[in-house]
Amino acid sequence: NAGVMQNPRHLVRRRGQEARLRCSPMKGHSHVYWYRQLPEEGLKFMVYLQKENIIDESGMPKERFSAEFPKEGPSILRIQQVVRGDSAAYFCASSPLGAGRDLVFFGPGTRLTVL
Amino acid sequence: AQSVAQPEDQVNVAEGNPLTVKCTYSVSGNPYLFWYVQYPNRGLQFLLKYITGDNLVKGSYGFEAEFNKSQTSFHLKKPSALVSDSALYFCAVRDGNNAGNMLTFGGGTRLMVKP
Repeated sequence: NAGVMQNPRHLVRRRGQEARLRCSPMKGHSHVYWYRQLPEEGLKFMVYLQKENIIDESGMPKERFSAEFPKEGPSILRIQQVVRGDSAAYFCASSPLGAGRDLVFFGPGTRLTVL
Repeated sequence: AQSVAQPEDQVNVAEGNPLTVKCTYSVSGNPYLFWYVQYPNRGLQFLLKYITGDNLVKGSYGFEAEFNKSQTSFHLKKPSALVSDSALYFCAVRDGNNAGNMLTFGGGTRLMVKP
């Protein structure tokens, strides 16, 4: 059973470009979470999704950031018109439905560098 | 609202000595507590969790943590440190009364184990 997969692992963008980060949850997991880790800081919650639904987006910046988890395919975190301050590691996590959902598994992260 | 404090940015310990990484939390409902470890350029790996039951929780790689409700603490411990334990450690909490599974992380503590 493959773990949570994220791609790309490293992404370089110039200011003003778009960044698309992909996350494939563990098999059988229907809950996806995105976290951002700035250099030398802890992880900050961004958004919590289930299939085709955004459950909690209280940690998402109001502009330029969006997330989706379609019925088919990976979850996507999209950052439009990137700025240098968006440079960070973005981690996706997944958990299963039901009693096991207290256990959250993290992917290896996507390191975004904005030039 | 929920929050986690890890008061030490870095903990230094000699190999073979016991180690403690401190964590205190604040949550309005029922605390579910977690410890994760992060190695360089990797995602977070689950170490252990407290949901209910015995206050002393045993986890992976010989780590354990003690839940102390009166002190709102969940310190991570290991009787004998290894050089390979050197990594970044994160404490996390979520409100067990909340249907969502949003984890709030502390800022992290870097553990350095010297030979």
